[in-house]
Amino acid sequence: GAGVSQTPSNKVTEKGKYVELRCDPISGHTALYWYRQSLGQGPEFLIYFQGTGAADDSGLPNDRFFAVRPEGSVSTLKIQRTERGDSAVYLCASSLRLSSTDTQYFGPGTRLTVL
Amino acid sequence: EDQVTQSPEALRLQEGESSSLNCSYTVSGLRGLFWYRQDPGKGPEFLFTLYSAGEEKEKERLKATLTKKESFLHITAPKPEDSATYLCAVQAGREYGNKLVFGAGTILRVKS
Repeated sequence: GAGVSQTPSNKVTEKGKYVELRCDPISGHTALYWYRQSLGQGPEFLIYFQGTGAADDSGLPNDRFFAVRPEGSVSTLKIQRTERGDSAVYLCASSLRLSSTDTQYFGPGTRLTVL
Repeated sequence: EDQVTQSPEALRLQEGESSSLNCSYTVSGLRGLFWYRQDPGKGPEFLFTLYSAGEEKEKERLKATLTKKESFLHITAPKPEDSATYLCAVQAGREYGNKLVFGAGTILRVKS
């Protein structure tokens, strides 16, 4: 079956621009997660959704970052006024439900480069 | 503050040379410890979940074990295709919900 998909795979933008990153979770998975991974580091949690609502957005670094999941499936991570420090791989994961220790399955990531 | 530390940062093995990767953690109320494999340019691939001290899980040449302070990923007779970054993550405490806290990973290179 299809796994988690993310588009685009690569995004190059200029400092100050707005970007949107898209995630399609595994069909039937109700929980969706966003992480950010810098070079040489493990993924760092940003936000997760149960259905359409953000259950925990404590990892978003500042108010330039925002994520939505309007129909409880596809999610978009939005970054305003991008900065060079936002350059990283943005990973999306999904799990069957938002329960204790449910396995999170990751997509291939979007590599964001801010020039 | 919850912490996950993996060692070594990098490991080079000859094909067939068994070894272990370490993941030590300091968390309040561990609910699960996860091992993932990550190939260059790809997302993490799930390997194992361990829930309580003493638990062990195996898959092909990999075996994961858990104590109250650390987890080990044992690699028996590795092959070049086992080369990857191995990530350890914990899920802990009610206040943290379902987020995973990751270590920085161990880069494994297996030479033929």
